[in-house]
Amino acid sequence: DIVMTQAPLSVSVTPGESASISCRSSKSLLHSNGITYVYWYLQKPGKSPQLLIYRMSNLASGVPDRFSGSGSETDFTLKISRVEAEDVGIYYCGQLLENPRTFGGGTKLELK
Amino acid sequence: EVLLQQSGAELVRPGSSVKISCKASGYTFTDYYMHWVKQRPEQGLVWIGRINPANGNTVYAEKFKSKATLTADKSSNTAYMQLSSLTSEDTATYFCTRGFAYWGQGTLVTVSS
Repeated sequence: DIVMTQAPLSVSVTPGESASISCRSSKSLLHSNGITYVYWYLQKPGKSPQLLIYRMSNLASGVPDRFSGSGSETDFTLKISRVEAEDVGIYYCGQLLENPRTFGGGTKLELK
Repeated sequence: EVLLQQSGAELVRPGSSVKISCKASGYTFTDYYMHWVKQRPEQGLVWIGRINPANGNTVYAEKFKSKATLTADKSSNTAYMQLSSLTSEDTATYFCTRGFAYWGQGTLVTVSS
């Protein structure tokens, strides 16, 4: 199985500042079709996960452009610019390259 | 609008089974796989498996092969997951998701005597 490792476990951010979350996969997520199958989700308390970024760097519909994704074949970053109160929750990276689909352990974002 | 409406919370006895549902609307049900994900309290996301509603073909994560059974009813646009031989380890919220872009609201299953 592909192991997804996130860091840090938690991050505390002042509103208006930026935050970055890292994710590393145990195997390249770059498919032969040129697409990198890493996805980012935010799960707010008591809610379902919501898609933020798909295929490493594509912003999902309705997601503010304060969110951005980047990376290589195995190392990925979610950046949140100008953090707002609504960004609080747990962020997960996930790989959709192959079965079983796997997710990182999550990063909790809090406000200072 | 794509919607996945899951059945309500369940309180079940150890050793029993439970079947939860996920009714899809807003798209052609047979055009997309339906995946199921487990989340234990204060824990991360674990993929259970997926079903192709068009033909019933299923793929399971190894650890769920004897635990979960996925089915789909094309006539009602509903996907189902049955969990058997329940233990406290199965206490969790279970989500259905279409392609990991659209998610149901989750169904809490509590296993307790």
